[in-house]
Amino acid sequence: AQRVTQPEKLLSVFKGAPVELKCNYSYSGSPELFWYVQYSRQRLQLLLRHISRESIKGFTADLNKGETSFHLKKPFAQEEDSAMYYCALREYSTLTFGKGTMLLVSP
Amino acid sequence: DTAVSQTPKYLVTQMGNDKSIKCEQNLGHDTMYWYKQDSKKFLKIMFSYNNKELIINETVPNRFSPKSPDKAHLNLHINSLELGDSAVYFCASSQDRGQSFFGPGTRLTVL
Repeated sequence: AQRVTQPEKLLSVFKGAPVELKCNYSYSGSPELFWYVQYSRQRLQLLLRHISRESIKGFTADLNKGETSFHLKKPFAQEEDSAMYYCALREYSTLTFGKGTMLLVSP
Repeated sequence: DTAVSQTPKYLVTQMGNDKSIKCEQNLGHDTMYWYKQDSKKFLKIMFSYNNKELIINETVPNRFSPKSPDKAHLNLHINSLELGDSAVYFCASSQDRGQSFFGPGTRLTVL
C-alpha cells in the first residue's frame, strides 16, 4: 500500500505565483515527514522536516494529522525553485518517498 | 570535504556483465542506504546497513548485493546486469533520527 502520495506529477506556475505541492501519507503511528528537493542533475537535499517547523528558501510545510497531509507551500515562487520535490515518510530508519512532483516556474 | 561520495558517476555496460558502485561517507554515520531512482524519477529504498549489518532488503533481486567493509563504506555489487537495471542509484547515510544525506548518484545504463 502506498504510504506517501503526491498526486501531481507536474506543477507549472509563473514567477511570483503561490505554490502548493500536495503530500498525503498513510501511517498508523506518529509520522516523521520530510520534503526533499532535487535540482536538475544534482543530489537530493533535505528541504524541510516537520519537527523543525522552520521556513527554508521561503517554503513551509505543516503537518495536518487530521487530513494526514504535509503540503509544501511558498507564497511567491521563484525561477530557481524549479526542481523535483519529494515528500518522504520515515519508518524505522528508512525513507519511503512519494513519486515526486516536478515544479516548473516560468518567468 | 564531500559528505557522501559515490563512484563512478556514470556507468555504461552490456547486459550480463557484473559491476560495482562504491559509496563512502565521512560523516561518522552508523546507517547507510542504497536507493534506486528509475526513469520515471521514482525513488525506492533497496538496502539499509546499520553498523555493517543488513537490516532491510526491500524485495530486491539477489543479483544485487551490498557489501560493507567498514562503517564508512557501502558498496553495491550487481551481477548479470539486465536492461531494467538502468537507473540512477543513490547512496545515503544517516545517524540515529537525523536527516539522511545523499550522494550525487550513479547513472547506470545497461545496453
